[in-house]
Amino acid sequence: AQSVTQLGSHVSVSEGALVLLRCNYSSSVPPYLFWYVQYPNQGLQLLLKYTTGATLVKGINGFEAEFKKSETSFHLTKPSAHMSDAAEYFCAVGPDAGNKLTFGGGTRVLVKP
Amino acid sequence: GAVVSQHPSWVICKSGTSVKIECRSLDFQATTMFWYRQFPKQSLMLMATSNEGSKATYEQGVEKDKFLINHASLTLSTLTVTSAHPEDSSFYICSARWTGRRNLGGYGYTFGSGTRLTVV
Repeated sequence: AQSVTQLGSHVSVSEGALVLLRCNYSSSVPPYLFWYVQYPNQGLQLLLKYTTGATLVKGINGFEAEFKKSETSFHLTKPSAHMSDAAEYFCAVGPDAGNKLTFGGGTRVLVKP
Repeated sequence: GAVVSQHPSWVICKSGTSVKIECRSLDFQATTMFWYRQFPKQSLMLMATSNEGSKATYEQGVEKDKFLINHASLTLSTLTVTSAHPEDSSFYICSARWTGRRNLGGYGYTFGSGTRLTVV
């Protein structure tokens, strides 16, 4: 079985400050890992993903994440927060035997001016 | 690339009526689609996996007679909420799995924009 834990349901950062969202996963097979962003009343938009290859993954909007197998982590970072980064962020692992993704509980990011 | 369109974006219906939500893959064939339900300020809850040409696989606790899923073609899956009641009010999101698109990293899941259902 697969599982995802996102530490911190809410994160508050100042505009221009580092954004760090934590994600730890559990998987019995080599995982594919995803970060999605969700704005209010919208679907999920892919920020970045890790499938194979380079463990440091760069995504859209200046975000990046590093796959650390030894720590079973896939933390998301952005060097300088922008007001438009205020949203809900979901980490996901998959696929399982049924090709499904397993989502973390989400982290809501608030950006203070 | 790998675009999914979900309609309607929002719908209000009377209690006891049925509502159909469509999920289309616009530029790829989706043999597998997923339907999620999302409660306010919560994560996504998988309702069912929709496989083209076969019956959907429902997650434990999801009423298959209330949430009818049809995946009759490689580009369209529908979710019908039958005899809707206020407790069915929620945000429903579909997703489609795709493979083989090297320009997009070879493997992924694309989500629809969601449907806000309000039953009055």
